Amino acid sequence: DTEVTQTPKHLVMGMTNKKSLKCEQHMGHRAMYWYKQKAKKPPELMFVYSYEKLSINESVPSRFSPECPNSSLLNLHLHALQPEDSALYLCASSQEDRGDQPQHFGDGTRLSIL
Amino acid sequence: AQKVTQAQTEISVVEKEDVTLDCVYETRDTTYYLFWYKQPPSGELVFLIRRNSFDEQNEISGRYSWNFQKSTSSFNFTITASQVVDSAVYFCALSEGNGNQFYFGTGTSLTVIP
Repeated sequence: DTEVTQTPKHLVMGMTNKKSLKCEQHMGHRAMYWYKQKAKKPPELMFVYSYEKLSINESVPSRFSPECPNSSLLNLHLHALQPEDSALYLCASSQEDRGDQPQHFGDGTRLSIL
Repeated sequence: AQKVTQAQTEISVVEKEDVTLDCVYETRDTTYYLFWYKQPPSGELVFLIRRNSFDEQNEISGRYSWNFQKSTSSFNFTITASQVVDSAVYFCALSEGNGNQFYFGTGTSLTVIP
């Protein structure tokens, strides 16, 4: 079982809907990440939170809005998504926001935009 | 330029065969870290190993072994006596010095045929 928990596992939504993806870890990690992964491609970094502050936003469209309510939780709010946003969304965490730290991933949320 | 190259897109082997997954990286930093992750069909990326640039010792963990060669900028991964459960996509990743971003290779899809 993964130590990073993501909900929901699957999500189908229309382009006008508003939904949220949730991620939780209880390993005491202070860095958390959102990635987007299209089929047969590597994960692409979207956002990095370090000590609950947004430290990296990789030019992600504003229809994706991250939130870190506390050190264990990370949300990704979705609004007015496009069909090309259909993908696997992965959350990860690491002890610190440093390159030597392995990132631990959740199972992901498979998102389909109708 | 691609920082991590995994030239093998797909590999198929018969169960109990040995298989080597290649990873070539590119960096100008003297301090860097290399990782291997396994992604089974369920979606989660499973952390397998981290290597830092100052430690060229090869490592063995059960049926898995890693060969790190700075002279050829390679960090290859060998599975001995492959099993069906090894079927997955394997990603090699690099992070540099003080950076916190992972540069993933494009992945190698391994299929182990019973």
